[in-house]
Amino acid sequence: EPEVTQTPSHQVTQMGQEVILRCVPISNHLYFYWYRQILGQKVEFLVSFYNNEISEKSEIFDDQFSVERPDGSNFTLKIRSTKLEDSAMYFCASSGPGTGSNQPQHFGDGTRLSIL
Amino acid sequence: SQQGEEDPQALSIQEGENATMNCSYKTSINNLQWYRQNSGRGLVHLILIRSNEREKHSGRLRVTLDTSKKSSSLLITASRAADTASYFCATLPNFGNEKLTFGTGTRLTIIP
Repeated sequence: EPEVTQTPSHQVTQMGQEVILRCVPISNHLYFYWYRQILGQKVEFLVSFYNNEISEKSEIFDDQFSVERPDGSNFTLKIRSTKLEDSAMYFCASSGPGTGSNQPQHFGDGTRLSIL
Repeated sequence: SQQGEEDPQALSIQEGENATMNCSYKTSINNLQWYRQNSGRGLVHLILIRSNEREKHSGRLRVTLDTSKKSSSLLITASRAADTASYFCATLPNFGNEKLTFGTGTRLTIIP
């Protein structure tokens, strides 16, 4: 069964550095998402991406964050000037094919980001 | 309570018993989805129920939805040790976007 894959599985970075988290969504999916889960807390929506542009973003997703689909397969989340509170598990998800809200979102195994 | 609150927070049962988890939400929804998360892993989609559906089955899973009470339940029948995980409900709003709002989760432990 097709899967969403994320790399790396664990990223350790010094505070203030930039990180790029990578995702390969399921190949025929059209909608892409990033969520995060701070340890012991709920999974929180960050951003959705469709047709090469952001379709929705949360208040968490400020100027520190950006997303990109640099080619036909990868979907990346960039976090600039990382802070201690950015430490979390970051999940990529995708849904489709086709449009419409009644498509389940399929998640990757996540990248654990640790800011020191 | 916040959008997507599950209860109980934790549930331990003997293998073979049925497990029931509940979810409440506050706003109108397009659909409600249940996910499983094994420790340290990603979220696995289990089942999606649309706002115009009342019950849905998938294997040993049964999901109900009561939009008048803004609540849903997930029943796992004949539980197995491999069902040990955290279970989350997630709602999709009624106004056409794709943002899932997750609940706090129920930690299910199946005792062999």
